[in-house]
Amino acid sequence: AQSVTQLDSQVPVFEEAPVELRCNYSSSVSVYLFWYVQYPNQGLQLLLKYLSGSTLVKGINGFEAEFNKSQTSFHLRKPSVHISDTAEYFCAVGGSYIPTFGRGTSLIVHP
Amino acid sequence: GAGVSQSPSNKVTEKGKDVELRCDPISGHTALYWYRQSLGQGLEFLIYFQGNSAPDKSGLPSDRFSAERTGGSVSTLTIQRTQQEDSAVYLCASSLATGTIPEQFFGPGTRLTVL
Repeated sequence: AQSVTQLDSQVPVFEEAPVELRCNYSSSVSVYLFWYVQYPNQGLQLLLKYLSGSTLVKGINGFEAEFNKSQTSFHLRKPSVHISDTAEYFCAVGGSYIPTFGRGTSLIVHP
Repeated sequence: GAGVSQSPSNKVTEKGKDVELRCDPISGHTALYWYRQSLGQGLEFLIYFQGNSAPDKSGLPSDRFSAERTGGSVSTLTIQRTQQEDSAVYLCASSLATGTIPEQFFGPGTRLTVL
């Protein structure tokens, strides 16, 4: 069994400020972790993924995430956000052929 | 290379009518997923196809929902006797057959509104 908890449903932040979107997971099998972004009226787009190796993963648009096995976390970070980063962000865990998604975090970037 | 496409992009129907939603996966992707995304909710898994294997239908919410995949490519999700609670965005995703590492590619979704 596997599950994902995104601790914040909404994160407001000012432009150029840093941001962290939190994700905790549980899985009884090998862990593969993903972050997806969904812009308004679009499908989901892969931001980054952790499969193995380095625990710090860099993705597109300046985002990065760190896999922490002891804390079962995979938090997403960006040092300086832009207005265009306003979107819904989903954390997902693989390990079975059907990944499990979190409920999403809405990132709202204010000017 | 084209991505995953879905049609129609928007569908408005009356309660009790049947609807069909279409998904064209990326060429060569053998795995195909359907999800439902209700307002403010995460992704609810509906059904999974992998090659010629029997589909995993464990996420279908009722027997009014069905899906098929013809020739291992295009998929159609059918909802019979639609209800207002069926209103949602229906997302399709495809992936290569990479076992337990399903990096998925999503379509733009079909927004279904049941009046």
